[in-house]
Amino acid sequence: DQQVKQNSPSLSVQEGRISILNCDYTNSMFDYFLWYKKYPAEGPTFLISISSIKDKNEDGRFTVFLNKSAKHLSLHIVPSQPGDSAVYFCAASGGQNFVFGPGTRLSVLP
Amino acid sequence: DTGVSQDPRHKITKRGQNVTFRCDPISEHNRLYWYRQTLGQGPEFLTYFQNEAQLEKSRLLSDRFSAERPKGSFSTLEIQRTEQGDSAMYLCASSLGSTGPQETQYFGPGTRLLVL
Repeated sequence: DQQVKQNSPSLSVQEGRISILNCDYTNSMFDYFLWYKKYPAEGPTFLISISSIKDKNEDGRFTVFLNKSAKHLSLHIVPSQPGDSAVYFCAASGGQNFVFGPGTRLSVLP
Repeated sequence: DTGVSQDPRHKITKRGQNVTFRCDPISEHNRLYWYRQTLGQGPEFLTYFQNEAQLEKSRLLSDRFSAERPKGSFSTLEIQRTEQGDSAMYLCASSLGSTGPQETQYFGPGTRLLVL
């Protein structure tokens, strides 16, 4: 029973274009959502978060959108850079629950 | 370096042996979390501490697993009688908060365990 889903295991994008990573969740108790980036042999690094009272949060090249009615969030990276190539995890929390998705591997091609 | 640190970074052991991992959180953080990550999956929650109190344990944490945070600073995760299925990356994270695990967690580099 996956409470947080990232249905695209991988994504390839040309440098300079937009990368859109998607995440769906099933538990309506989740009220805080985060994106982490992970390079090989390192722990996940926090990127950006959003509370359920918002529908958008922006930080530089990274923007997270939340659609509560659809239980869907997305991470937009504009413009994409080769250094953005990594595995991206969506995470959701609510109460004492903190759940990660399986990740999407992003490859930004020069 | 004020980030989360974990020791060792790698551990190879034989089935049936005990192993212990250490995590040093960011110094002002009162919460500490342990996760397990296997290939192709996201981190799976194991347990978390607020200060020295262990507040939640996942059902993934069998009785062979035990975690401690005796003085509310560093934490240890011990696995007794290791099995090949225990092979995974064990991640530690810390955060500053008091209202539930809704704050941002900062992760260490992980300890990769291989059970032969």
